[in-house]
Amino acid sequence: RKEVEQDPGPFNVPEGATVAFNCTYSNSASQSFFWYRQDCRKEPKLLMSVYSSGNEDGRFTAQLNRASQYISLLIRDSKLSDSATYLCVVNDPNAGGTSYGKLTFGQGTILTVHP
Amino acid sequence: EAGVTQFPSHSVIEKGQTVTLRCDPISGHDNLYWYRRVMGKEIKFLLHFVKESKQDESGMPNNRFLAERTGGTYSTLKVQPAELEDSGVYFCASSHWTYEQYFGPGTRLTVT
Repeated sequence: RKEVEQDPGPFNVPEGATVAFNCTYSNSASQSFFWYRQDCRKEPKLLMSVYSSGNEDGRFTAQLNRASQYISLLIRDSKLSDSATYLCVVNDPNAGGTSYGKLTFGQGTILTVHP
Repeated sequence: EAGVTQFPSHSVIEKGQTVTLRCDPISGHDNLYWYRRVMGKEIKFLLHFVKESKQDESGMPNNRFLAERTGGTYSTLKVQPAELEDSGVYFCASSHWTYEQYFGPGTRLTVT
């Protein structure tokens, strides 16, 4: 079982649509949660951190359910520029639990927004 | 503020050769990380430095990989000798604390 699982898509939606991505993680000790976006042949860029209370940044809303080990991202009013791969990322401890630097990535969900 | 920089952007080497990748973190970031993505797979953690100390190197695949961060500034990742399966994109990231990591553009390594 993958440590972070995402639906790989692809998702093809028209401009203005609402699209939701889901993600589950297996390590209950994961501490922090993020959505990154990655454009083709570019580096991952932090889109937003995800908090237990849920958080919103403009058209983007992220939710975290620690009990279910589930993370979601909702994009409203999709733009052409939202086309990218969306990466669900968790921050895991090292084997001794002394360090939380390691990010564990999902395989990414591909989104294409068309006119 | 300058972001994370990596050099070279691309490297093509033959199996058995040595390659050294360099990463310059964002100024003031004590935490530096190496990741890689091999074709068709998700991005995988390699190791984490805090200043010049290796905090976690659990992701290093084998002893052909050597990472250093002398002086706690830039870091190098050396692969010696390179194998075909080492091909992929090597990303460096840095952070002030151990969250919200910022990634460099990556080095695309091709071993032929």
